[in-house]
Amino acid sequence: DIVMTQTPLSLPVTPGEPASISCRSSQSLFDSANGNTYVDWYLQKPGQSPQLLIYMLSYRASGVPDRFSGSGSGTDFTLKISRVEAEDVGVYYCMQRIDFPSTFGQGTKVEIK
Amino acid sequence: QVHLVQSGPEVKKPGTSVKVSCKASGFPFISSTVQWVRQARGQRLEWMGLIAVASGNINLAQKFQRNVSFNRDVSTGTASMELRSLTSDDTAVYYCAADAGRGYLLYWGQGTLVTVSS
Repeated sequence: DIVMTQTPLSLPVTPGEPASISCRSSQSLFDSANGNTYVDWYLQKPGQSPQLLIYMLSYRASGVPDRFSGSGSGTDFTLKISRVEAEDVGVYYCMQRIDFPSTFGQGTKVEIK
Repeated sequence: QVHLVQSGPEVKKPGTSVKVSCKASGFPFISSTVQWVRQARGQRLEWMGLIAVASGNINLAQKFQRNVSFNRDVSTGTASMELRSLTSDDTAVYYCAADAGRGYLLYWGQGTLVTVSS
């Protein structure tokens, strides 16, 4: 199985400041046949189901604010929040789906300082 | 409006089975895969497998191949997951999620807490 490793596991943030979460996969998530990179990002707000933020490396899901962005290549990926807002608290997960079984990172808990 | 509504919480004894249902509306269910993800308390999300609604094809993570089955009913827009031979390690919130044919988990159910306790 592909192992997804996130850092940091806990991220205290100040509203209005940027934040960044890293995710590393044990195998490349790039499919040379179609040029797609199969990493998605989800946010699980407290007491809620996960919600899609970013799909295929860098595409924002519908309704996701443009302060969220995804980047990276191969085995190293980053989710960035340009200016954190109070509503962004929760646990962020990266997930790979280039190969079965899909696997998630451990999660990064973002909280307001 | 999109909805994925799951069945309610369950308390089960070890060795028994549980079935969780997931009713879809507001999006093209037949074009979707329905995927099941579980989360034990304080743990990461764990992908269990998927069922392609149109074909019925199933892909299960290896650890679940002996005791998990998926089903779907296109006429009612419902998917279900059955977990057999329950142990305390199966205590978790179980989520269904649908991809509307896009691969990523676009829509999520509200989660179903399954508690296994003697």
